[in-house]
Amino acid sequence: DAKTTQPNSMESNEEEPVHLPCNHSTISGTDYIHWYRQLPSQGPEYVIHGLTSNVNNRMASLAIAEDRKSSTLILHRATLRDAAVYYCILYFQGAQKLVFGQGTRLTINP
Amino acid sequence: NAGVTQTPKFRILKIGQSMTLQCTQDMNHNYMYWYRQDPGMGLKLIYYSVGAGITDKGEVPNGYNVSRSTTEDFPLRLELAAPSQTSVYFCASSYGGQLYEQYFGPGTRLTVT
Repeated sequence: DAKTTQPNSMESNEEEPVHLPCNHSTISGTDYIHWYRQLPSQGPEYVIHGLTSNVNNRMASLAIAEDRKSSTLILHRATLRDAAVYYCILYFQGAQKLVFGQGTRLTINP
Repeated sequence: NAGVTQTPKFRILKIGQSMTLQCTQDMNHNYMYWYRQDPGMGLKLIYYSVGAGITDKGEVPNGYNVSRSTTEDFPLRLELAAPSQTSVYFCASSYGGQLYEQYFGPGTRLTVT
């Protein structure tokens, strides 16, 4: 499985934008980039996914580098409820499953 | 809409006991998954199923068994509980494949003493 690299932890302030980076230098052309987050004492929840183009939804935006070797999850205006562990995952064609890494623990300061 | 439900929420087992963790989804998803999460760690896939009657091993299948007789249910069986199986267990479901997200249940916290 192709690997991802994320910082162990990040900190930001409430109502400010947050940019969560992910490196995936061994990504192949058919791998999708998925992001999930896990709030304290809860199961993971889906955030967003994409292949090549930038993607937006009600929760976040996903910016994918032109060479696809990295991506950034953008929370436009962080709230305290966004404090969670964020997982960047490559979902390759035919895999039938996600493989979770360690993720980035995001702390939001009031 | 219930989504993915898991029972029980908590359980304490003695070493050598057996139990079944229940998982049910009401979204008519073909794909279902069992993960475990040890303290401070990411999730590890135990078993998954791509449809009724079809199951396959994930990263850490030893000590567990699964069955999938219906689309809705995917129970996880622990036959001889060991302290190493102390963990939080999450069930998930999906339409399957790269294009679709996984929906997770609330988890079962299991302690084996």
